[in-house]
Amino acid sequence: GAGVSQSPSNKVTEKGKDVELRCDPISGHTALYWYRQSLGQGLEFLIYFQGNSAPDKSGLPSDRFSAERTGGSVSTLTIQRTQQEDSAVYLCASSSRLAGVLTDTQYFGPGTRLTVL
Amino acid sequence: KQEVTQIPAALSVPEGENLVLNCSFTDSAIYNLQWFRQDPGKGLTSLLLIQSSQREQTSGRLNASLDKSSGRSTLYIAASQPGDSATYLCAVDGGSQGNLIFGKGTKLSVKP
Repeated sequence: GAGVSQSPSNKVTEKGKDVELRCDPISGHTALYWYRQSLGQGLEFLIYFQGNSAPDKSGLPSDRFSAERTGGSVSTLTIQRTQQEDSAVYLCASSSRLAGVLTDTQYFGPGTRLTVL
Repeated sequence: KQEVTQIPAALSVPEGENLVLNCSFTDSAIYNLQWFRQDPGKGLTSLLLIQSSQREQTSGRLNASLDKSSGRSTLYIAASQPGDSATYLCAVDGGSQGNLIFGKGTKLSVKP
């Protein structure tokens, strides 16, 4: 596909359950980012992958959140033991940014709306 | 810690009017600044990216300026149309990691 895709588009889960959110970046993009957009809040950075380097996890809000990126392409964000405050839209973005080089535009997917009951 | 502020939070204008959206940031050490558009229930669409060495960028009816030293950027929309109605987000890229720091956006409504 031409753009960043995410699945599922909507996810409703019960408190305490684990969820997995998927992101397919634009082919060839080396950088991948996860952000969260909560109701009434701005977007907040969660985690960043650059090529095969260790990810920057500095934005993850708790150890219940983790993410991996397999083969430098698809990424999965996992939230364990979900809480109601995890309810938000989770957005993924990718760019062709190369380490140490001037930045490039980040292209965003449509997001996954997570509702924790 | 970098903070991004957008003013106003909401704006309603009649069709055809020119308008300016404002963005300010606290740390001038940025790599670039991006303006995005977000439609309800949708992801973000990149409108303009200004590198730190640039002063402005233009795309169609949109013009974005950057004054890094004063920590300000503006997005100018000429001859607004109802289809411009959306939330406009400003974001700065200030780190080696490249993660964006966003303002909370300006919700624009253009009335026919």
